[in-house]
Amino acid sequence: AQTVTQSQPEMSVQEAETVTLSCTYDTSESDYYLFWYKQPPSRQMILVIRQEAYKQQNATENRFSVNFQKAAKSFSLKISDSQLGDAAMYFCAYKYSGAGSYQLTFGKGTKLSVIP
Amino acid sequence: GAGVSQSPRYKVAKRGQDVALRCDPISGHVSLFWYQQALGQGPEFLTYFQNEAQLDKSGLPSDRFFAERPEGSVSTLKIQRTQQEDSAVYLCASSLAYGETQYFGPGTRLLVL
Repeated sequence: AQTVTQSQPEMSVQEAETVTLSCTYDTSESDYYLFWYKQPPSRQMILVIRQEAYKQQNATENRFSVNFQKAAKSFSLKISDSQLGDAAMYFCAYKYSGAGSYQLTFGKGTKLSVIP
Repeated sequence: GAGVSQSPRYKVAKRGQDVALRCDPISGHVSLFWYQQALGQGPEFLTYFQNEAQLDKSGLPSDRFFAERPEGSVSTLKIQRTQQEDSAVYLCASSLAYGETQYFGPGTRLLVL
């Protein structure tokens, strides 16, 4: 079974600084997707960034970028120029891309605080 | 367009009561998912629909949990004879098609007393 581990229950960052959230996963599959979701206190889960395992290039979305290390099964999220609105729970998630697999497998999350 | 909506947002039930949680997916989205999120945890998969067909219900914790999507749009998650361990946030997500990005609703917070 696939597992996703987020080893940092809580992180904090100064406004305008950069922070990196860690995620490792365990799978025997070679084709899959990885995601970072953000969940603000209002609880609506929002997709931050998505990475296809077959792509070597790291995904980037504005201030958010990932460091995808397939051999190490590591998928970290870097937030640059942190803003107060970035404060939230961040969940790393995995999805096998093969037929018959529907679910996302989530880590336990990292709570990010942004200090003004 | 409108996102995924869920109702009610909050539900308090007495132990043993039946509850029904509703999910309205994004219009045109074929795939619909239910997840359970316990306090301080990440969401855990419950069940998946493709249109009206329930293709995976492997995550439903017991036969007290039942989900349906009779017309391939709105879905209802029903929990019979609720127990305290059922207290959680129930999240619904939809995607345009299989394998596409899942978009989540705000969740229903269920508290069983």
